[in-house]
Amino acid sequence: GNSVTQMEGPVTLSEEAFLTINCTYTATGYPSLFWYVQYPGEGLQLLLKATKADDKGSNKGFEATYRKETTSFHLEKGSVQVSDSAVYFCALRNNFNKFYFGSGTKLNVKP
Amino acid sequence: EAGVAQSPRYKIIEKRQSVAFWCNPISGHATLYWYQQILGQGPKLLIQFQNNGVVDDSQLPKDRFSAERLKGVDSTLKIQPAKLEDSAVYLCASRSISKDTEAFFGQGTRLTVV
Repeated sequence: GNSVTQMEGPVTLSEEAFLTINCTYTATGYPSLFWYVQYPGEGLQLLLKATKADDKGSNKGFEATYRKETTSFHLEKGSVQVSDSAVYFCALRNNFNKFYFGSGTKLNVKP
Repeated sequence: EAGVAQSPRYKIIEKRQSVAFWCNPISGHATLYWYQQILGQGPKLLIQFQNNGVVDDSQLPKDRFSAERLKGVDSTLKIQPAKLEDSAVYLCASRSISKDTEAFFGQGTRLTVV
């Protein structure tokens, strides 16, 4: 089957700290992988994506690399800001264009 | 480009009442999804449309939930009768059929059943 597992939160960091949010997946076929971000009271916004193995998605200083050998898509940022505080969701899209989401990781960044 | 529009933003109803949510996807997007997001959890797919046909409704509680997408554009999701456990945010998303595209989400409707 298809599923996404991501680290539980909340994750609390000081501004300018390094961020890693772990994400692993189980999928049949060749999924595409995504990170979405959800700010309070809003819907999900795409943060970055990768469509095949070894692809690196990047946006706004965030990066994630599609690792087929470890079935992982960990999110990283070198220096977080207070404005990065949000809930982050890892997701996959399978060959039938169905999206599966992890349970979300809440990030709190303190000034 | 206009985003996915949903209404209402908030709804409070009593259990056993009925409720309907509306979604207008991004123009030209053939695929439309309805997700249920319970507080503290990730979105769970309820139903997926391709144009006006249902692709996947395996997770839709059909005894109380129904959805339609007339003319392959707007969609409505209905719950009748509502239960306390239906309290959640209902998210609509749409996607182009082009390869490697992501889903675009609306702001959601927060439903509280009391």
